[in-house]
Amino acid sequence: QQPVQSPQAVILREGEDAVINCSSSKALYSVHWYRQKHGEAPVFLMILLKGGEQKGHDKISASFNEKKQQSSLYLTASQLSYSGTYFCGTERPGYSTLTFGKGTMLLVSP
Amino acid sequence: EAGVAQSPRYKIIEKRQSVAFWCNPISGHATLYWYQQILGQGPKLLIQFQNNGVVDDSQLPKDRFSAERLKGVDSTLKIQPAKLEDSAVYLCASRGRNYGYTFGSGTRLTVV
Repeated sequence: QQPVQSPQAVILREGEDAVINCSSSKALYSVHWYRQKHGEAPVFLMILLKGGEQKGHDKISASFNEKKQQSSLYLTASQLSYSGTYFCGTERPGYSTLTFGKGTMLLVSP
Repeated sequence: EAGVAQSPRYKIIEKRQSVAFWCNPISGHATLYWYQQILGQGPKLLIQFQNNGVVDDSQLPKDRFSAERLKGVDSTLKIQPAKLEDSAVYLCASRGRNYGYTFGSGTRLTVV
């Protein structure tokens, strides 16, 4: 079942923060986050395995609450290069495939 | 390391014609995926290979789509006959040690 992402779209000014959420109705083994720019392939940002860990990637970090089957992506002090569509991909225990959400479009303006 | 290679980059065909896409994953990556991405949506899994064996093809429309991965390296995805609703970007991905997917640039298919 497809995970639900929110919000659908975010418009920020450079330097502002944003949070993107991803939730699933199924038990999860891991959550992936990807960023896709227009006309390009999705690029892997990070993976979170069950255990409630939080990871960071420059000024982008994420958390995974396995009890709630929810993950959040945090973008701090956004830069113009952060613009794009962010997808979460969820992996269920016993499976090795990802089901992607519909995406959250992020636009960072000067 | 070299990325995931896909070709062609673009393809325009008429409905009922056939088309094939090619993918070469990152060297040493045993797992290969084909995803379909319709404009404005997230990628949708079509098929997963582990080496040259199919692991999951439950979402592959087998009446018109077929895929193979000979010798556990390159893979080909075929559509025959194509329908208008097959217009999409077809993404190939392979999975490495950090468990993240590396996607190829994709093939943008337009069926007219």
